[in-house]
Amino acid sequence: GENVEQHPSTLSVQEGDSAVIKCTYSDSASNYFPWYKQELGKGPQLIIDIRSNVGEKKDQRIAVTLNKTAKHFSLHITETQPEDSAVYFCAAVMGGGADGLTFGKGTHLIIQP
Amino acid sequence: EAQVTQNPRYLITVTGKKLTVTCSQNMNHEYMSWYRQDPGLGLRQIYYSMNVEVTDKGDVPEGYKVSRKEKRNFPLILESPSPNQTSLYFCASSTRGAVTDTQYFGPGTRLTVL
Repeated sequence: GENVEQHPSTLSVQEGDSAVIKCTYSDSASNYFPWYKQELGKGPQLIIDIRSNVGEKKDQRIAVTLNKTAKHFSLHITETQPEDSAVYFCAAVMGGGADGLTFGKGTHLIIQP
Repeated sequence: EAQVTQNPRYLITVTGKKLTVTCSQNMNHEYMSWYRQDPGLGLRQIYYSMNVEVTDKGDVPEGYKVSRKEKRNFPLILESPSPNQTSLYFCASSTRGAVTDTQYFGPGTRLTVL
């Protein structure tokens, strides 16, 4: 089955700086890679996703890059703000199948004022 | 408002006492699933359902049961809970055959088994 590794487990950045979270996956058949943000006391919420036919996707301050050859993908957050503090999860799955998402173990992002 | 609801949000119980955590979605989604979240382990899928009366095991199904009698509901049943099932549980739903579509998560149920 799929295995997703996520690094770092904790990331502390100054407000206004950029944050990068990296994930690697094992199953070359995976073709959908979402990122979720989980705030304290809440369920994960999708913030951005990318499909294997795309190398990069951007949504305002958030971007995701995918390198299918190396089997890794990354989340980039620019101009970080206090409300970006949360736990972020990457995930991978083969689209169209029945299997659920395989999640990374999460990154606790801390934005220092 | 499109949402996934879970009940209860918090539950403390004792070993062996059967319990059910309910999950309901109002988005007419075919695909529903249950995850558990544990510190350092992330989210792991317990069971999933592709549609009514169709359920299958995820990565960590031992000790759990599910049913899907109606499209909107997907309860998680612990017939004989044990302390190692103390965890944070999330229900999620998405459109059919399209795990690639946005998965909507419920608010979570924090379960403690003494």
